[in-house]
Amino acid sequence: AQSVAQPEDQVNVAEGNPLTVKCTYSVSGNPYLFWYVQYPNRGLQFLLKYITGDNLVKGSYGFEAEFNKSQTSFHLKKPSALVSDSALYFCAVRDMGRGSTLGRLYFGRGTQLTVWP
Amino acid sequence: DGGITQSPKYLFRKEGQNVTLSCEQNLNHDAMYWYRQDPGQGLRLIYYSQIVNDFQKGDIAEGYSVSREKKESFPLTVTSAQKNPTAFYLCASTPSGLAGPHRMGEQFFGPGTRLTVL
Repeated sequence: AQSVAQPEDQVNVAEGNPLTVKCTYSVSGNPYLFWYVQYPNRGLQFLLKYITGDNLVKGSYGFEAEFNKSQTSFHLKKPSALVSDSALYFCAVRDMGRGSTLGRLYFGRGTQLTVWP
Repeated sequence: DGGITQSPKYLFRKEGQNVTLSCEQNLNHDAMYWYRQDPGQGLRLIYYSQIVNDFQKGDIAEGYSVSREKKESFPLTVTSAQKNPTAFYLCASTPSGLAGPHRMGEQFFGPGTRLTVL
């Protein structure tokens, strides 16, 4: 079965400092991994994904994520945080198994990022 | 929020009433999904459909029903059997849930409907 864990409910950083939002995963085959961001009372916005290839994936708004197969992790990073980055972040893994569950995403519980000015 | 619309944005329901949440997409996507979001619990899958006239139960389908009569529409009905329906409901879609080059693609989300039971 596929699953995702986000070990931190909240992450607080000062503006201008680097930020990391952690994600670990469990899959039965090759992982297809995603990061989404959600602002209050809005839908989820896609940030980036890892399918194959380079372990460092670059996405929207200056975010990047590092895929680490040995540690089964896919942490979201940004070199210099902005106050406007404050939001709820979700990590997700895609089910690539056969049958009717093909394509569904399994989400973590979310991490609330707060960037202080 | 892409080409997915959800209506209404806010919905109030009295106990014992059924309500239907609308989800429409003009992206020509095959697969559509309904999620429920509660504080601290992330997103939980209610129902999903990978093709017209077919849908599958997700992890928390009890008290909900769906239909997929058209490719662009996937309405969700919250029935009176749903014990705690107050939540934020999100609809999503992907280009293809079964095969093809888009099977690795991300899901596109609508803006959500906040349902409150009075």
